[in-house]
Amino acid sequence: GAGVSQSPSNKVTEKGKDVELRCDPISGHTALYWYRQSLGQGLEFLIYFQGNSAPDKSGLPSDRFSAERTGGSVSTLTIQRTQQEDSAVYLCASSFVPDTQYFGPGTRLTVL
Amino acid sequence: QQQVKQSPQSLIVQKGGISIINCAYENTAFDYFPWYQQFPGKGPALLIAIRPDVSEKKEGRFTISFNKSAKQFSLHIMDSQPGDSATYFCAAQNTGNQFYFGTGTSLTVIP
Repeated sequence: GAGVSQSPSNKVTEKGKDVELRCDPISGHTALYWYRQSLGQGLEFLIYFQGNSAPDKSGLPSDRFSAERTGGSVSTLTIQRTQQEDSAVYLCASSFVPDTQYFGPGTRLTVL
Repeated sequence: QQQVKQSPQSLIVQKGGISIINCAYENTAFDYFPWYQQFPGKGPALLIAIRPDVSEKKEGRFTISFNKSAKQFSLHIMDSQPGDSATYFCAAQNTGNQFYFGTGTSLTVIP
């Protein structure tokens, strides 16, 4: 079956521009996570959605980052006024049960 | 603050050898410990996982050893193969369903 998909796969933007990254989770998965993976680093938790509950935004690094999940399915991560330090791979994962995450291929963001 | 500490950063093993990657944590609220395998250009994929009520879990060539009192867990890859060459991440999940990842180990298996 279809896995987690993310788009775009690559995004190059100029400093100060806004970007939107999209995640399509596996159908029926109630939980959705966003992570940031910088070169040579582990995965940094950004935000977690579970069903209709308020999202856990505790990992968002600044108020330039926001995310929403519409209809309990597709999620969009928005970065406003991008900075060069935002350059990273942004990974989305979904799960049906709390412990088994399925990751998408990621979006590689480059801020010039 | 790194909640899960992983070592080594990189590892080179001969084909047929044993690869060992170690992780340590501090938060006793963690109750699920997965290992992920990531190939270049791909997202991480769940490899094997353990809960703290057991000390070892084996799936094929992959084994997790878990030491609750020491707050350490490790991944052992037996009979390592060139196809195992990838980056491996350990992780820990707390009761709030939040995951904390190690910084990754780049494994190279030499034919």
